Amino acid sequence: AQSVTQPDIHITVSEGASLELRCNYSYGATPYLFWYVQSPGQGLQLLLKYFSGDTLVQGIKGFEAEFKRSQSSFNLRKPSVHWSDAAEYFCAVGPYNFNKFYFGSGTKLNVKP
Amino acid sequence: EAGVTQFPSHSVIEKGQTVTLRCDPISGHDNLYWYRRVMGKEIKFLLHFVKESKQDESGMPNNRFLAERTGGTYSTLKVQPAELEDSGVYFCASSQDSANPSTDTQYFGPGTRLTVL
Repeated sequence: AQSVTQPDIHITVSEGASLELRCNYSYGATPYLFWYVQSPGQGLQLLLKYFSGDTLVQGIKGFEAEFKRSQSSFNLRKPSVHWSDAAEYFCAVGPYNFNKFYFGSGTKLNVKP
Repeated sequence: EAGVTQFPSHSVIEKGQTVTLRCDPISGHDNLYWYRRVMGKEIKFLLHFVKESKQDESGMPNNRFLAERTGGTYSTLKVQPAELEDSGVYFCASSQDSANPSTDTQYFGPGTRLTVL
């Protein structure tokens, strides 16, 4: 069965600290992987995606993610968190034609001053 | 360029009533998707339109839900009659060309928060 697990429901980090959000997936075919962010009152914004090639993917806002096939993981990282990064983050997996995404339940990030 | 828009942003209705949600995709996007997030859980796929045709409606919960996309532009999702478990946030997304993963992506709207009392 296709599924995405985000084991951390809430995470709190201090501004300037590093961040890693975990994502594990189960998918029966070649996975295309995504991270989206939702700020309050906004739609989901794509941070980055992996579909082939280099397993370390750079995204917007200084985020990066690493695809590890052996661990079925696609963890999101940022070296130094800013207060504006406080939001909810969703990991998703989909087929090559992007027609049906499976999302995790989200991780809410709180940033302490 | 305008993004995906959804209307209304919030809707509060009584059990048994009817509600219609609307989604306007990004102009020129043939693909339109509906998703739903029930309280704190994962965002779940409902269905996918290509232009006005339903490509995949495997995620629709039951026959109380009816989605349409007449003319291949905006889409509506009607819930009739609404039940308590229909409460959640309904997201719409659109994409241009689902055959090219290097350039394509799904763009999401802000969602409609539906509360059924």
